[in-house]
Amino acid sequence: EAGVAQSPRYKIIEKRQSVAFWCNPISGHATLYWYQQILGQGPKLLIQFQNNGVVDDSQLPKDRFSAERLKGVDSTLKIQPAKLEDSAVYLCASSLRGPSGRAVSFNEQFFGPGTRLTVL
Amino acid sequence: QKEVEQDPGPLSVPEGAIVSLNCTYSNSAFQYFMWYRQYSRKGPELLMYTYSSGNKEDGRFTAQVDKSSKYISLFIRDSQPSDSATYLCAIPRDLYGGATNKLIFGTGTLLAVQP
Repeated sequence: EAGVAQSPRYKIIEKRQSVAFWCNPISGHATLYWYQQILGQGPKLLIQFQNNGVVDDSQLPKDRFSAERLKGVDSTLKIQPAKLEDSAVYLCASSLRGPSGRAVSFNEQFFGPGTRLTVL
Repeated sequence: QKEVEQDPGPLSVPEGAIVSLNCTYSNSAFQYFMWYRQYSRKGPELLMYTYSSGNKEDGRFTAQVDKSSKYISLFIRDSQPSDSATYLCAIPRDLYGGATNKLIFGTGTLLAVQP
């Protein structure tokens, strides 16, 4: 089974430039997540999609970050304009199912290798 | 107070040592507790998870949860150089929307096992 694919793996840009990251989740996975991992910290959820709808984007800096998952499969995350503090690894993850109502169930998230962004 | 706090390390141990990695959490309602392993320049991968209190063992790895003290631990027995990685504890905040939504991660502990 192919894993979560991300591209590019590395990107260096200057502040105020734009950048876009692409993610292709595991086939059949309905839920897709974008995380930001700053050096020395754990991943922080930016946005969660269930198919092509947004479930949670409460921690997405919407003045500069945007994300879409138009056909409910792959997704792009964009930053425009970038700031120095956006330097981080951007991780995409997917899971088979999404929210399951009030039933508590296990739903493993599978992570891609990430895109390492450096903003100069 | 952060929802999940983790001993930052780094930790360097000789091969064969027993390793203890620890996190604390603030919300007594949390029920699932996970440990992810992240190798350098890779994404995190789920190592183990436990539900509620108690221990769970998988080979050389044991995950332990003490809900009374809001303390979770991962023990690695007979550590190997291949165990060298960053270990992240993670807890799903959203209990009713599916167990692994809204994962809150600790800061991670970098472990180096010296041959």
